[in-house]
Amino acid sequence: QQQVKQSPQSLIVQKGGISIINCAYENTAFDYFPWYQQFPGKGPALLIAIRPDVSEKKEGRFTISFNKSAKQFSLHIMDSQPGDSATYFCAASTKGSARQLTFGSGTQLTVLP
Amino acid sequence: EAGVAQSPRYKIIEKRQSVAFWCNPISGHATLYWYQQILGQGPKLLIQFQNNGVVDDSQLPKDRFSAERLKGVDSTLKIQPAKLEDSAVYLCASSLQPGNTIYFGEGSWLTVV
Repeated sequence: QQQVKQSPQSLIVQKGGISIINCAYENTAFDYFPWYQQFPGKGPALLIAIRPDVSEKKEGRFTISFNKSAKQFSLHIMDSQPGDSATYFCAASTKGSARQLTFGSGTQLTVLP
Repeated sequence: EAGVAQSPRYKIIEKRQSVAFWCNPISGHATLYWYQQILGQGPKLLIQFQNNGVVDDSQLPKDRFSAERLKGVDSTLKIQPAKLEDSAVYLCASSLQPGNTIYFGEGSWLTVV
């Protein structure tokens, strides 16, 4: 059973627009929610992460919004640029010694010039 | 600082053949992960090591996959015999300790024909 559901599968945005990617989780034990960015032929790289004690985290043009009661979180990319074109994965992990990441299925973002 | 190194980057084998992938994590990182990423999907954890011990291998198909990290540094992942459905990118990742940021290598692309 998929534990982190991600949507949309693909997204096309004009340069300067806002890109929004959504994720929902089921496991209430998750307490760490990172977003990874993956360019073709490269491994995923951590973009931004949030813990459930805050509702929003912003780093530059990237913002995570977190809704604990709805068990949802989203990534907002402001002023999207062609260089942002990549696949984005949300993920989640639980407390404990293992701290393993469970990934969503990914969103392929294309920002048109 | 050098990143996670993986080799080979690309491998094409016939079904029922064997293949091995090598990973050298970031220096000083005690935790090492192997993920499988099938095209169009998010990475799925295969095995997690803490130093030279296995933390979790519950999702590793042990009838054909094996992994080791004998000296607590580099690691190898072996598949024998390979099946068509093993075609994927095998990502190695490492972190200083569980719960710290996970850094991914560029992956080893496997095609089984």
